[in-house]
Amino acid sequence: QLQESGPGLVKPSETLSLTCTVSGGSITSYYWSWIRQPPGKGLEWIGYMYYRGSSNYNPSLKSRVAISVDTSKNQFSLNLNSVTAADTAVYYCVRLGSLNWFDPWGQGTLVTVSS
Amino acid sequence: EVVMTQSPATLSVSPGERATLSCRASQSVNSDLAWYLQKPGQAPRLLIYGASTRASGIPARFSGSGSGTEFTLTVSSLQSEDFAVYYCQQYSFWPRTFGQGTKVEIK
Repeated sequence: QLQESGPGLVKPSETLSLTCTVSGGSITSYYWSWIRQPPGKGLEWIGYMYYRGSSNYNPSLKSRVAISVDTSKNQFSLNLNSVTAADTAVYYCVRLGSLNWFDPWGQGTLVTVSS
Repeated sequence: EVVMTQSPATLSVSPGERATLSCRASQSVNSDLAWYLQKPGQAPRLLIYGASTRASGIPARFSGSGSGTEFTLTVSSLQSEDFAVYYCQQYSFWPRTFGQGTKVEIK
């Protein structure tokens, strides 16, 4: 199971930080990803990280995003800096199976960017 | 990036009837395609991967077909829990990309 946590409200120009806690298995066994969904819109892949350091990010966000893994806590995190209202979305943490499809998903957490 | 286009945007179907959803890729993705179902207020759930392989626990009424640029998801007999939004996703190229979704609603 995956569970997102973090602030639901972030001010413009600040950094959005979320954490995903993985339970029921070791975080070292898989690749982990973040996906977001603006209200009423479709899905956008943000990036993935493997505990050994390999990663890949969506070019549309690459300059602002970082994903990290904390094996001691079985958690992985998302940092997205210089946020604007366009970053308002439900953020999902997801397991990336074989670097291909996404399963399972966390329940998602809504992050609103507003002053 | 590979653009995934789903059609129709909305599909109105009566319970018990068949639903056929389409997904087109802007370039060939071989069979590197997955389908997801998303109910309101919930996270998406994996239905199909490899274009035609059902994920664990997915009922046989869901089937996928296609390869290259044209893909189809068929729900043979719609149940009440199947009325939702469906997304396709390619995993042949980076970045991974999704279609815009097809909403299946009750007719």
